[in-house]
Amino acid sequence: DADVTQTPRNRITKTGKRIMLECSQTKGHDRMYWYRQDPGLGLRLIYYSFDVKDINKGEISDGYSVSRQAQAKFSLSLESAIPNQTALYFCATSQPDRVIAANTGELFFGEGSRLTVL
Amino acid sequence: AQSVTQLDSQVPVFEEAPVELRCNYSSSVSVYLFWYVQYPNQGLQLLLKYLSGSTLVKGINGFEAEFNKSQTSFHLRKPSVHISDTAEYFCAVRFPWGATNKLIFGTGTLLAVQP
Repeated sequence: DADVTQTPRNRITKTGKRIMLECSQTKGHDRMYWYRQDPGLGLRLIYYSFDVKDINKGEISDGYSVSRQAQAKFSLSLESAIPNQTALYFCATSQPDRVIAANTGELFFGEGSRLTVL
Repeated sequence: AQSVTQLDSQVPVFEEAPVELRCNYSSSVSVYLFWYVQYPNQGLQLLLKYLSGSTLVKGINGFEAEFNKSQTSFHLRKPSVHISDTAEYFCAVRFPWGATNKLIFGTGTLLAVQP
């Protein structure tokens, strides 16, 4: 089984609908992230969470919200989906390097959730 | 501000030929540098990373990258590619310290290995 699991893997919806993408992890990591991937734009950070009580906006948070239900679960919601939110969404986790007390940056990604908004 | 540039959106290459994927970054301070690989229909996985020390970094699947501070580059190389190396490759940069802990990705380079 994958360490970082995303559901659903594929979703087609209509403009104005509410959509939730879910992410769960078995790596025991504190930090979780939601990224969006668009062709030619790479990955852009939507939201990130360092622990259950800590939620932070990334560079493209407008139109999205998140919920950290537990250490292992981090969900992304689109309250009213629009066509330009059609993209591939990735959840990722990380853990800071406690020896050097710095974030050495390795992210562990789920397999992605492809969302199409018509 | 930090930024990452991958000038080549696609690199076609024949099997067993060498390849170099270019990455340049912009930062006024020291950074950590990474290469991630994304195989078709999969998430990204870490290929290699530079934190400090030796400027030549070896990663998985025979890839290596060289950190060049004067040219602010972190190019990825492999002496002989295989069909299975066909994937998209992302360069990324991060500040070692700071509250954001944000990993900034380049736009990606599609490596297309042909028989």
